[in-house]
Amino acid sequence: QKEVEQDPGPLSVPEGAIVSLNCTYSNSAFQYFMWYRQYSRKGPELLMYTYSSGNKEDGRFTAQVDKSSKYISLFIRDSQPSDSATYLCATRLTGGGNKLTFGTGTQLKVEL
Amino acid sequence: GAVVSQHPSWVICKSGTSVKIECRSLDFQATTMFWYRQFPKQSLMLMATSNEGSKATYEQGVEKDKFLINHASLTLSTLTVTSAHPEDSSFYICSARISSYNEQFFGPGTRLTVL
Repeated sequence: QKEVEQDPGPLSVPEGAIVSLNCTYSNSAFQYFMWYRQYSRKGPELLMYTYSSGNKEDGRFTAQVDKSSKYISLFIRDSQPSDSATYLCATRLTGGGNKLTFGTGTQLKVEL
Repeated sequence: GAVVSQHPSWVICKSGTSVKIECRSLDFQATTMFWYRQFPKQSLMLMATSNEGSKATYEQGVEKDKFLINHASLTLSTLTVTSAHPEDSSFYICSARISSYNEQFFGPGTRLTVL
């Protein structure tokens, strides 16, 4: 079993839709949770960084963490074609030397 | 701020040759840099963690004699793929961490193709 599971997609939505991206993880010791956006042939870009269970909002993006069910989500409101990218979830242990464990990434396409 | 660059952005080489990839933190000092490998449609896999002035720590299954990492300064780390083979073809991405923060900043990646 992978430590972080993520549906690879592809996920195709119309412009303006609400997008829901999800990951599950197996290690309850993971304490930090991140979402990265990666455009084709580019490095990942940090979108959201959360520590505790609950919601964190930044513009059109909302990250949600449920530690009890080991489930993390990223919601994108009013999706735009420029949001088309691969979205990677990542987790980290407390004091784990900053080693990140990534999901496989979900490929998102927002169509006009 | 917090920009990380990589050079080259892509490289094609013949089997058996060595390739060096540079990772630079442009506007901050990075005490720790990380090297990842990403195969098509797969996630980033950590290869090694590099601390300035000390030997790199390699992940299980990564050959340290094949993937040489040098972190000679607070702004530069290099990854050398020695005696490259076609199976080493991949997207190599570095990241850098500012010592006082937890966040990693990623470079744009280097696409290596070994013929």
